[in-house]
Amino acid sequence: EAGVAQSPRYKIIEKRQSVAFWCNPISGHATLYWYQQILGQGPKLLIQFQNNGVVDDSQLPKDRFSAERLKGVDSTLKIQPAKLEDSAVYLCASSLGTGDGYTFGSGTRLTVV
Amino acid sequence: AQSVTQPDIHITVSEGASLELRCNYSYGATPYLFWYVQSPGQGLQLLLKYFSGDTLVQGIKGFEAEFKRSQSSFNLRKPSVHWSDAAEYFCAVGEGGNTPLVFGKGTRLSVIA
Repeated sequence: EAGVAQSPRYKIIEKRQSVAFWCNPISGHATLYWYQQILGQGPKLLIQFQNNGVVDDSQLPKDRFSAERLKGVDSTLKIQPAKLEDSAVYLCASSLGTGDGYTFGSGTRLTVV
Repeated sequence: AQSVTQPDIHITVSEGASLELRCNYSYGATPYLFWYVQSPGQGLQLLLKYFSGDTLVQGIKGFEAEFKRSQSSFNLRKPSVHWSDAAEYFCAVGEGGNTPLVFGKGTRLSVIA
């Protein structure tokens, strides 16, 4: 089966600019997650979708981050305006349920300068 | 709330030697436990998982892990390490259903000749 697709792989932007990341999960996976992984740390959940509804966005910095999952398939994560501390790898994952584990995409490495 | 502790930030082992990576979790009920591996520039790949049954679970690439409720641990082991095992390893805990996983900070494994 095809994996979780993410794009772009790399992005360099200046602070205060905006950026968007795209994710296409595994077909049939209703649950989609965006995680932020800062260098040297484990992934931290930003937002969880179930189909096209938000289940958990308690750790999403809503003043600058937004995410949507139209039609319950693809998802986009946006940062506007970016800060230096947003430099990280943004990982998208999808699953059928926690017991199945997640399938992760390769991530987008964001550098804010 | 769940939490995961991986006490070792970096471990170096010789090729062919045995390996044990430690993971301790905090969660009141029986957790869903996972080990993931991340190679440089890649997403996370699921090695193995546990949520019930036999407390010794086998995974891919010759890895195994043992769930010890009394110690709140889920340590990852491999009897003979290969150079290709050099990577970052993450332990994660979940509650089941669609609740998001909480990840540890990871252990970086280096393999020397």
